[in-house]
Amino acid sequence: KNEVEQSPQNLTAQEGEFITINCSYSVGISALHWLQQHPGGGIVSLFMLSSGKKKHGRLIATINIQEKHSSLHITASHPRDSAVYICASHPQGAQKLVFGQGTRLTINP
Amino acid sequence: DAGVIQSPRHEVTEMGQEVTLRCKPISGHNSLFWYRQTMMRGLELLIYFNNNVPIDDSGMPEDRFSAKMPNASFSTLKIQPSEPRDSAVYFCASSHRPLLGREAINYEQYFGPGTRLTVT
Repeated sequence: KNEVEQSPQNLTAQEGEFITINCSYSVGISALHWLQQHPGGGIVSLFMLSSGKKKHGRLIATINIQEKHSSLHITASHPRDSAVYICASHPQGAQKLVFGQGTRLTINP
Repeated sequence: DAGVIQSPRHEVTEMGQEVTLRCKPISGHNSLFWYRQTMMRGLELLIYFNNNVPIDDSGMPEDRFSAKMPNASFSTLKIQPSEPRDSAVYFCASSHRPLLGREAINYEQYFGPGTRLTVT
């Protein structure tokens, strides 16, 4: 069965801390997406990656294809980073994205 | 660009009524996706279109759901008749798929603000 699991489900941290959110998937993929959903409900695509690592500002996404695992890191976290972070896999040969349940991140000042 | 536009933003209706959700993708994008988000099931892909043609509608839950894309700048998702379990946030997203290359779903998707549907 094709599944995407994220951990932790909830994460609370203090401003400035280094944050890591993990995503594991069960089948081979052609790409993995990280999405951010703000408290107001809007969804923003952060990264799409199929190998290695991508960086955008304080956000870094990595993927290990052999281990079927991806991580999203936030350096120098800020309260405005508080949101739900969702990973989604694109399984090889399939046309649907499979979504994780999301990680709710709260950064306290 | 204004981004992906969805309307209405909120819809409250009674069970049995017809509901129509609307989406205008980003100009120049040729792939459009409809998603549903609930607390229990998270985000689910319902259907997607490439160049106005439905490619995969296996996520559409029942025959009560239908989606159309009559042209490159407009799509609708219709529920008829609506039921309380259809209550969810419905998102539309668009992306640009090159003429040659990998599946459209591999390319970055831009999401609309969503329509929050409540069926009583």
